[in-house]
Amino acid sequence: KQEVTQIPAALSVPEGENLVLNCSFTDSAIYNLQWFRQDPGKGLTSLLLIQSSQREQTSGRLNASLDKSSGRSTLYIAASQPGDSATYLCAVNDNTDKLIFGTGTRLQVFP
Amino acid sequence: ETGVTQSPTHLIKTRGQQVTLRCSSQSGHNTVSWYQQALGQGPQFIFQYYREEENGRGNFPPRFSGLQFPNYSSELNVNALELDDSALYLCASSEKQGAKNIQYFGAGTRLSVL
Repeated sequence: KQEVTQIPAALSVPEGENLVLNCSFTDSAIYNLQWFRQDPGKGLTSLLLIQSSQREQTSGRLNASLDKSSGRSTLYIAASQPGDSATYLCAVNDNTDKLIFGTGTRLQVFP
Repeated sequence: ETGVTQSPTHLIKTRGQQVTLRCSSQSGHNTVSWYQQALGQGPQFIFQYYREEENGRGNFPPRFSGLQFPNYSSELNVNALELDDSALYLCASSEKQGAKNIQYFGAGTRLSVL
């Protein structure tokens, strides 16, 4: 049974710092991995999707990497801003139609 | 904005009641998935509908049921509500079934069971 873990559970950093969020999964037979952002009480916004054949994806200040063999992904946020404060969720898709989510990392960036 | 709309945004029910949540898919999408997100947890897959048929189900009891209509909008019904059903319910639509199709999420319905 696939399990997804995210570390740390919470993170508080000053504005401008570069930071790394970690995601690990137990079964390497995934089809893709996706990072989402969730603001308090809101739905999910897709940030980056990495196919299993890819190593990384970039969008603006965000970079996500995938090491399928070791069951790990990282989300790198450069030059963090207070507007980046949110919960970040990673989810894997094992070629069925369901996403399996981690419990998220709650990020606070203070001015 | 993803184009996926859910109603209502908030709902309060008492234990034992029944509830219906609604989801309008993004235009052109024929697949809808429902997820339950308890406080402080990641979303958990409930089930998916593709062209009006259930197409995969997570570990939820039969009192969780759904429908998809010809216009691809969807309902989630929960009977005999329990306190643990209190959660954010998220709907996601995709262009078609299959892992390569990105799911676009609505803002969710917050259900409180008292």
